[in-house]
Amino acid sequence: DTAVSQTPKYLVTQMGNDKSIKCEQNLGHDTMYWYKQDSKKFLKIMFSYNNKELIINETVPNRFSPKSPDKAHLNLHINSLELGDSAVYFCASSLGRGQETQYFGPGTRLLVL
Amino acid sequence: GENVEQHPSTLSVQEGDSAVIKCTYSDSASNYFPWYKQELGKRPQLIIDIRSNVGEKKDQRIAVTLNKTAKHFSLHITETQPEDSAVYFCAASPPADRGSTLGRLYFGRGTQLTVWP
Repeated sequence: DTAVSQTPKYLVTQMGNDKSIKCEQNLGHDTMYWYKQDSKKFLKIMFSYNNKELIINETVPNRFSPKSPDKAHLNLHINSLELGDSAVYFCASSLGRGQETQYFGPGTRLLVL
Repeated sequence: GENVEQHPSTLSVQEGDSAVIKCTYSDSASNYFPWYKQELGKRPQLIIDIRSNVGEKKDQRIAVTLNKTAKHFSLHITETQPEDSAVYFCAASPPADRGSTLGRLYFGRGTQLTVWP
């Protein structure tokens, strides 16, 4: 059984388009995260939700909008895609709000042309 | 906020040798320090973590040491094998009662470890 899953795995799109990435976890965790990993492998947190409540909202362009319909799902919508948005986006989850293991999804490789 | 520095950025060792990756952190209140391993094209996965109430933790060939006074922690891999080749990330996390930083990991920039057979 897949613990944290993301769709799609690959996303190739043109500049200016709008796209969404979906994430689901079946671990019963309360907290979910979105990370961006750039070409230099740096992992940067973007957002975190705990039980559908936004608890971390990093300084990212407001073209990025997360949405958590329930605590098992966290989606990321990106408007007006730019070349610099090309990266791997990882979803992750953890049991609570504290300092526990974060389980990452397989990643979505986004390429903006 | 917390700032984590990680060195070296790349590390090459011969199979069987030891590898050491070092990290420093800036927030003296940080008390949780995990290490993640990311193989090429895969997701990051936790390999070991340490909390500030202990100075060292071991799991088979992997060990982590923590020096709270110096705000420094290290990952030690002994008897390295080619399958240890990956990017390793250290992270630090402030306590869970620090407002909006709840559950937040501050990652280092990663170390690409290559183990040559």
